[in-house]
Amino acid sequence: AQSVTQLDSHVSVSEGTPVLLRCNYSSSYSPSLFWYVQHPNKGLQLLLKYTSAATLVKGINGFEAEFKKSETSFHLTKPSAHMSDAAEYFCVVSGDGGYNKLIFGAGTRLAVHP
Amino acid sequence: DTAVSQTPKYLVTQMGNDKSIKCEQNLGHDTMYWYKQDSKKFLKIMFSYNNKELIINETVPNRFSPKSPDKAHLNLHINSLELGDSAVYFCASSQDLKQPQHFGDGTRLSIL
Repeated sequence: AQSVTQLDSHVSVSEGTPVLLRCNYSSSYSPSLFWYVQHPNKGLQLLLKYTSAATLVKGINGFEAEFKKSETSFHLTKPSAHMSDAAEYFCVVSGDGGYNKLIFGAGTRLAVHP
Repeated sequence: DTAVSQTPKYLVTQMGNDKSIKCEQNLGHDTMYWYKQDSKKFLKIMFSYNNKELIINETVPNRFSPKSPDKAHLNLHINSLELGDSAVYFCASSQDLKQPQHFGDGTRLSIL
């Protein structure tokens, strides 16, 4: 069975400092992994995806994530936080029988302070 | 030029009523989905349709009935609404079963 664990429910950073949102996964298959962002009262926007190509994945808005099979991790990072990055972030795993069935983590709320 | 649009955005109704939420995508995608997000922000898939055929049905009460009249539309009808149905419902679509999903802005359903 597949699952995703986001290790922090809340992360707070100052503007201009690095962001690290942690995610561990469990999968019986070779996983596809995603990070989505949800701004208040909005739908989810895809930040980036890993599908067994390069282990370091670059996404939109300066975010990137590294797939580490030995650690079963897919942490999301950004070198310098911006106020507009404040949102809910979801780590997601897919690959269950090929039906694109997404399994979501519980989410990490990122707060960015001036 | 919204890619995945849901209507209504907000829906407030009483227990026991029947209601529908509509979803349309103009991306030319073959696959559409419904998700439920609870008050703790937890997201869970409910249904998925590929080329108008149901392919995922996740232990959802049969009061929930999806309908896909064509590939661009996936509506969700809910009978005999209960308090526990209060949530945000998201529609999504993808090119096929292996491509990332694009989400609508959600429908916030509140049951009084």
